[in-house]
Amino acid sequence: KAGVTQTPRYLIKTRGQQVTLSCSPISGHRSVSWYQQTPGQGLQFLFEYFSETQRNKGNFPGRFSGRQFSNSRSEMNVSTLELGDSALYLCATKEGPTNEKLFFGSGTQLSVL
Amino acid sequence: AQSVTQLGSHVSVSEGALVLLRCNYSSSVPPYLFWYVQYPNQGLQLLLKYTSAATLVKGINGFEAEFKKSETSFHLTKPSAHMSDAAEYFCAVSSRSGGGADGLTFGKGTHLIIQP
Repeated sequence: KAGVTQTPRYLIKTRGQQVTLSCSPISGHRSVSWYQQTPGQGLQFLFEYFSETQRNKGNFPGRFSGRQFSNSRSEMNVSTLELGDSALYLCATKEGPTNEKLFFGSGTQLSVL
Repeated sequence: AQSVTQLGSHVSVSEGALVLLRCNYSSSVPPYLFWYVQYPNQGLQLLLKYTSAATLVKGINGFEAEFKKSETSFHLTKPSAHMSDAAEYFCAVSSRSGGGADGLTFGKGTHLIIQP
């Protein structure tokens, strides 16, 4: 099986712009979670989607949003980018909400200038 | 609320020596505990997990961890370090199977350095 695929691998944006990141889960995985990883804050949970519905949400402002499509692929969007949004954004997938084992993608490295 | 504390942002050991990475957690309910490893420019990979079965958990690559409720700890060990073990290690806690409302709560990570 192919692993979790995140695109693009790297992004450079400027303040005020918006960005969309994509995550394609492992075949058969219907739960997709997003995490933000920074040197200062570590890994922080953004949100989880299952069957096209947001199931859980972390403590991030409304500028961070996401969605999931019928094929389980997910996108996350960040609007009005700030310098502090520079981070590695990781997508993690699993078969369903009660499964324990998360499979992570390699991430999208976002730099906001 | 739950939290994870990893003692030591960097740990250095000699090749062949014992690896000990410390993790303490705080959880108001019986926890599910995990150790993940992250190699440079890669995502996280699950090493092992504790889900209320045996307190001594064996994982991949020779790693194991012991759940000690009285100490609220879940330290990761490996008897003999290998150069390929050099990576970032994350301890994580969840309030229930599959992740709680806040997903997995991760520690800040420990960078393991292996000296030749």
